[in-house]
Amino acid sequence: EAGVAQSPRYKIIEKRQSVAFWCNPISGHATLYWYQQILGQGPKLLIQFQNNGVVDDSQLPKDRFSAERLKGVDSTLKIQPAKLEDSAVYLCASSPPRQNTEAFFGQGTRLTVV
Amino acid sequence: GNSVTQMEGPVTLSEEAFLTINCTYTATGYPSLFWYVQYPGEGLQLLLKATKADDKGSNKGFEATYRKETTSFHLEKGSVQVSDSAVYFCALGTTGTASKLTFGTGTRLQVTL
Repeated sequence: EAGVAQSPRYKIIEKRQSVAFWCNPISGHATLYWYQQILGQGPKLLIQFQNNGVVDDSQLPKDRFSAERLKGVDSTLKIQPAKLEDSAVYLCASSPPRQNTEAFFGQGTRLTVV
Repeated sequence: GNSVTQMEGPVTLSEEAFLTINCTYTATGYPSLFWYVQYPGEGLQLLLKATKADDKGSNKGFEATYRKETTSFHLEKGSVQVSDSAVYFCALGTTGTASKLTFGTGTRLQVTL
């Protein structure tokens, strides 16, 4: 079974530029998550999709971050404009439509804003 | 709201030593509990899980028991190896099919020869 795919693996941008990350979840997984992991901290949920609907985006900085999941499969997360404090690893995860199941994580995208 | 508290790291142990990493949680309802591991340069992987009180999750010699009375899910291993060096995250998941995962801050384990 293929895992969660993310791209790019690494990205360096200047502040005020824009950036986009892509995620392809495991086939059949209805739930998709985007997490932000700042160095030395645990992952923080940014947004959660169930199919192509948003379940929770309460911690997404909506003035600069946006995310979509077209057709309930792939997802993109965008930051525009980026700030220095956005430097982090952005993790995508997915989980199947089962009770009390775990999430499966991709390798992440390491973003450095300079 | 839901939260997870882990012991501060880093934890440094000699090979074959006993490991305990403490984890306590605050949650409404009856969450599932997880331990994830992040090896250097790799993504988060599920290590073990427990979905109800008194369940014991186990994998690769690691164990954790879901203790509802103390709201804890401490990770233990009887004899650690150098290859266990990694960052360990405790997490809780809300019930239902669209579970929301909340993570602790992580505990770095360094095992030396």
